Amino acid sequence: AQTVTQSQPEMSVQEAETVTLSCTYDTSESDYYLFWYKQPPSRQMILVIRQEAYKQQNATENRFSVNFQKAAKSFSLKISDSQLGDAAMYFCAYPEGSGNTPLVFGKGTRLSVIA
Amino acid sequence: SQTIHQWPATLVQPVGSPLSLECTVEGTSNPNLYWYRQAAGRGLQLLFYSVGIGQISSEVPQNLSASRPQDRQFILSSKKLLLSDSGFYLCAWSVFNGGYNEQFFGPGTRLTVL
Repeated sequence: AQTVTQSQPEMSVQEAETVTLSCTYDTSESDYYLFWYKQPPSRQMILVIRQEAYKQQNATENRFSVNFQKAAKSFSLKISDSQLGDAAMYFCAYPEGSGNTPLVFGKGTRLSVIA
Repeated sequence: SQTIHQWPATLVQPVGSPLSLECTVEGTSNPNLYWYRQAAGRGLQLLFYSVGIGQISSEVPQNLSASRPQDRQFILSSKKLLLSDSGFYLCAWSVFNGGYNEQFFGPGTRLTVL
């Protein structure tokens, strides 16, 4: 079975600092997409960033970027210039299999931002 | 643009009572639809997903069932709720574009079984 591991249940960061959330996964697929979702206190799940596995370049969306290491099956999320609004649960996800299959989610990392 | 609706937003039910949670999607056709449960603010457990009307895949054996009576409507049901059914229920949709299945989530339903 496909698995995704987020080894940090909780993390904290000072406002304006940088934090990295880790994620590792296990897949036998060669081409796939990886996702980071954010769940703020409102509990509305929001897509933060998406990475395509065959692309060498790490994805970036404003203050959010990934460090994707395909061989190591690692997909970490870096948040730069952290803001109070970044406080949330963050979930890493990737497809259950090839083709039209659901996403498998990690257990999440709760990020606190300290003013 | 696409939108997803879930209702009710909150629900308190006694043990043994029935359950019906509804999810509808607007602005897209033949979406994949999903029901997740999130307990105690932690990970998402996939309960059911559907790639078309009448096609339901169950991921976890449990007290719940799902139906898809219309293309963009997904219903989660139970005949008799258990205490362990309490949690936060999320509906999601996606359209597979040949490359990925980015999922979009509804606002969720908080269910408390007493």
